[in-house]
Amino acid sequence: GENVEQHPSTLSVQEGDSAVIKCTYSDSASNYFPWYKQELGKRPQLIIDIRSNVGEKKDQRIAVTLNKTAKHFSLHITETQPEDSAVYFCAASMTGNQFYFGTGTSLTVIP
Amino acid sequence: DSGVTQTPKHLITATGQRVTLRCSPRSGDLSVYWYQQSLDQGLQFLIQYYNGEERAKGNILERFSAQQFPDLHSELNLSSLELGDSALYFCASSVAGVGNSPLHFGNGTRLTVT
Repeated sequence: GENVEQHPSTLSVQEGDSAVIKCTYSDSASNYFPWYKQELGKRPQLIIDIRSNVGEKKDQRIAVTLNKTAKHFSLHITETQPEDSAVYFCAASMTGNQFYFGTGTSLTVIP
Repeated sequence: DSGVTQTPKHLITATGQRVTLRCSPRSGDLSVYWYQQSLDQGLQFLIQYYNGEERAKGNILERFSAQQFPDLHSELNLSSLELGDSALYFCASSVAGVGNSPLHFGNGTRLTVT
């Protein structure tokens, strides 16, 4: 089955700096890659997603890039703010299958 | 608000007991997923239903079972509870049974087994 690895497990950045979280997947059939943000004790919330026919997608300060050849995708957060502090999960899925989640990255933005 | 409703929000019970967690998906969503999240852990996939039928199974214990009813709500039954079953249980729904539409999570049920 699919295996998703996520790095780093923890990340601390100064407010205003950029943060990058990377995920790799194993199954080339995976074609949909969402990112979720989970604040402490709350539900995971979709923040951005990308499909395999697109290499990059941007939404204000958040962007996701996908390299199908290398089987990795990354989340980029620019101009980080304290409210960006949370756990971020990447996931990979393929048509007709369930979602495979990474192990999460705990991001701390230091004011 | 995601539109996915989970009840109850909190549940405290003793070892050996049985509980039922309930989930109502977003309007129009046919697929329901259950995930378990232990303290400081990731999201462990338990089971998925699509339009009333089991679609995929993850690492769900034999003591756990689930079903999706004709009105598309789902229930997760946990029996012979152990201390290690204490966790946050999330339900998520999506439009399709295929894995290329986003999951929308409910607020979860926090289960504490004492």
